[in-house]
Amino acid sequence: DAEITQSPRHKITETGRQVTLACHQTWNHNNMFWYRQDLGHGLRLIHYSYGVQDTNKGEVSDGYSVSRSNTEDLPLTLESAASSQTSVYFCATRAAGSDTQYFGPGTRLTVL
Amino acid sequence: GENVEQHPSTLSVQEGDSAVIKCTYSDSASNYFPWYKQELGKRPQLIIDIRSNVGEKKDQRIAVTLNKTAKHFSLHITETQPEDSAVYFCAAPVQGGSEKLVFGKGTKLTVNP
Repeated sequence: DAEITQSPRHKITETGRQVTLACHQTWNHNNMFWYRQDLGHGLRLIHYSYGVQDTNKGEVSDGYSVSRSNTEDLPLTLESAASSQTSVYFCATRAAGSDTQYFGPGTRLTVL
Repeated sequence: GENVEQHPSTLSVQEGDSAVIKCTYSDSASNYFPWYKQELGKRPQLIIDIRSNVGEKKDQRIAVTLNKTAKHFSLHITETQPEDSAVYFCAAPVQGGSEKLVFGKGTKLTVNP
């Protein structure tokens, strides 16, 4: 079945380290999004992509980067992890011409 | 850009009662309003959505109403059950018909047996 997966599901890292969170989808959706979820803030958009080689900054992009070399993957990189980036990260996809965003299972990241 | 306010932040009801969650938005060009349900430790999942050319949409025990003039939309759950307990999020396009969504901060609904 087509799906969206994220890895790792849990990650503990140290301040200053580079961390990459993976998002992979088999729906062939053009649009992909990264959100972070924190208590009291809901879901906030970090970066998004409308297709291969296209990346855009969202509401809370500082300290994060993404790349889109193929349709299936949108990895999220924390260049130098900070404790403020401790959060649950969700990837989402959306087909072109459709309204619905589908979320991945999430990655819980702890930065010590 | 769009600003979405969601109320209340917590809601506790008795099983069988109705629950209503309301969201307001700021961009009059917004045309799509989804509601997501997130159970503890799970991903958000779409439960119902509405487009701006419709005033109400129902799916079994859940319904969404839209008031474009007042720029607010509401989620209605009737005959609540314990399995309805979750956090509910509303959303609206960042700008007009944008593919990007801005989310409300969520409502934690507890249904007491």
